[in-house]
Amino acid sequence: QKEVEQNSGPLSVPEGAIASLNCTYSDRVSQSFFWYRQYSGKSPELIMSIYSNGDKEDGRFTAQLNKASQYVSLLIRDSQPSDSATYLCAVIIIQGAQKLVFGQGTRLTINP
Amino acid sequence: GAVVSQHPSRVICKSGTSVKIECRSLDFQATTMFWYRQFPKQSLMLMATSNEGSKATYEQGVEKDKFLINHASLTLSTLTVTSAHPEDSSFYICSATRDLEPYEQYFGPGTRLTVT
Repeated sequence: QKEVEQNSGPLSVPEGAIASLNCTYSDRVSQSFFWYRQYSGKSPELIMSIYSNGDKEDGRFTAQLNKASQYVSLLIRDSQPSDSATYLCAVIIIQGAQKLVFGQGTRLTINP
Repeated sequence: GAVVSQHPSRVICKSGTSVKIECRSLDFQATTMFWYRQFPKQSLMLMATSNEGSKATYEQGVEKDKFLINHASLTLSTLTVTSAHPEDSSFYICSATRDLEPYEQYFGPGTRLTVT
């Protein structure tokens, strides 16, 4: 089982709709979770961090965490074409030292 | 805040030569810096973790004699790819964390290395 799993997509969503991105992780003791956005040819940009169960909202973005189910998601409301990118879920894994492990990323396309 | 720069952004070198990539935290002191590599259509893979003034910790399968990391100050880490080969061609990205948010990594813009 991979440490962090995401559906690679592509995920196509019409402009203005809600995009829903999902991620599962294997390390039950993980406490820190992140969503990064990566445009083609560019480096990742941190858009959300979440540490507690429940929802965390920041503008059009909402991160949801369920530690019991080892599941973290990202919702993007009112999707815009500029949201088209690859979204990387990342989890701090504790293996002796703490390490940030990335999922393979979900490619999201917002259709005008 | 939390701006990380990398230099160069793009480099082409001949097989057998060495290339140095710099990573700087511009507006904060970086407790820890990380080096990642990303091949096309793949996710980021951690190569090594470095703390200022101490030896880097390399991930399994990463040759420490080939990928030399120096973290001489709280704002600068360098990665030197020695005796580069075409299979080392990749997108190299550094990141840094700061004391206030030890788990949030801020990424540099990346360096695209092509070895001919």
